[in-house]
This record gives sequence, structure tokens and C-alpha cells, in this order.
Amino acid sequence: ELKVEQNPLFLSMQEGKNYTIYCNYSTTSDRLYWYRQDPGKSLESLFVLLSNGAVKQEGRLMASLDTKARLSTLHITAAVHDLSATYFCAGGGTSYGKLTFGQGTILTVHP
Amino acid sequence: DVKVTQSSRYLVKRTGEKVFLECVQDMDHENMFWYRQDPGLGLRLIYFSYDVKMKEKGDIPEGYSVSREKKERFSLILESASTNQTSMYLCASRPTGQETQYFGPGTRLLVL
Repeated sequence: ELKVEQNPLFLSMQEGKNYTIYCNYSTTSDRLYWYRQDPGKSLESLFVLLSNGAVKQEGRLMASLDTKARLSTLHITAAVHDLSATYFCAGGGTSYGKLTFGQGTILTVHP
Repeated sequence: DVKVTQSSRYLVKRTGEKVFLECVQDMDHENMFWYRQDPGLGLRLIYFSYDVKMKEKGDIPEGYSVSREKKERFSLILESASTNQTSMYLCASRPTGQETQYFGPGTRLLVL
């Protein structure tokens, strides 16, 4: 049974700083997903990582996948207030797209 | 644009009531999912469906059932609501062969 754990669960950052959210998973997962959720809103897909060594970037966010270490990271560069949200990673996807989510990381970016 | 809609944003029910949560998607997706979201636990899969009238249990199906009579509609049923079913319920859909799940806005259910 796939288990997914994120850390940290809470992250308070200053604008302009860099930080990384870590996502560990327990068994083989062919793919890894990152989602964003704004307060009171639904989930929005950020990245889908499909193979070992995959790296994807969008603006100030960069996600990577190391299947050997069973680890994905979401790196935030020069944080801005608009990045404040909850970020989820999820593994699985091969069985009808069934996903197992991590607990979520609540990111707050302060001026 | 893919659109997944849920019948209610907020719902208040009493213990023991039968509760129906409806989800509709307009993109002819084969796969549909029901999750519940609780603080510190992330999203947990309740049930999913990969075709009309087909359903599979997720990780936490106890106390829930589902119905998929039409491709576009996937219903979550709480047979006898209990206070521990107070939660945010999220529906999602995904076309076969694609990676992304598209989520609805969520229904925040309070069971008193």
C-alpha cells in the first residue's frame, strides 16, 4: 500500500527566500503529482512527473523526482506572496488514475 | 475548459440522515473519484468509478456508497450520516490515457 508523506506541514517564508518541500513515498510509484490549493478553493494541477530524474519548472516553482530515493521535491525560488497556498504531492496514477495524497504543506509567504 | 461541478458548496445535515452529494463533469471523462479532505490528513480516496455502473472502493469506503448511472454523473451517498463524516468532499474526473485529475469546487458537509 502506497503511503505518501510531506514535510514540512507548515512553512512560513519571507518574500525573496528559497525553500524546498519534500515528498517521500513508501513503495514504487511510477508517477508523482503536485497540486496547489488556494484557501476555500479546489485543487489545481501543477506538475506531473513521469520518470526518474524528471524535472519540471513553472515560474518560481520547480519539481523533481528521484524514484530510487522515493523522493520528490518542490523547490520555491524567490518566494512571492501569491505563492501562499497549500501544496499537495500525490503518488500512484497507474490504476485507473487512483492517487494517494500526502498531508499537504501550508505555505505562507510574508512581506 | 474542463468543468467539474458539485451540487452544493455547503451542506448541514443531522445524524442519521441519508445524504446525497452529486458531481457532474462535462468532458466525457471515463474515470471519476470521490475524496474527503481533512486537516493534516490530506485527501483520502473514498470510491472511484472507471465506467458507467462500475465502481471500486478506495481507501476509506466505510459508511459510504456511490452510484454512476450516467457517464457524466457520479454520486456519493452517506447512508446514515454520522458526525465523523463532517468533512470537505471533493470530486474529480480524469480521461483515460491522461495524467491530470480535474477537481470540483468541493462540498463542505457538517453533520450535527
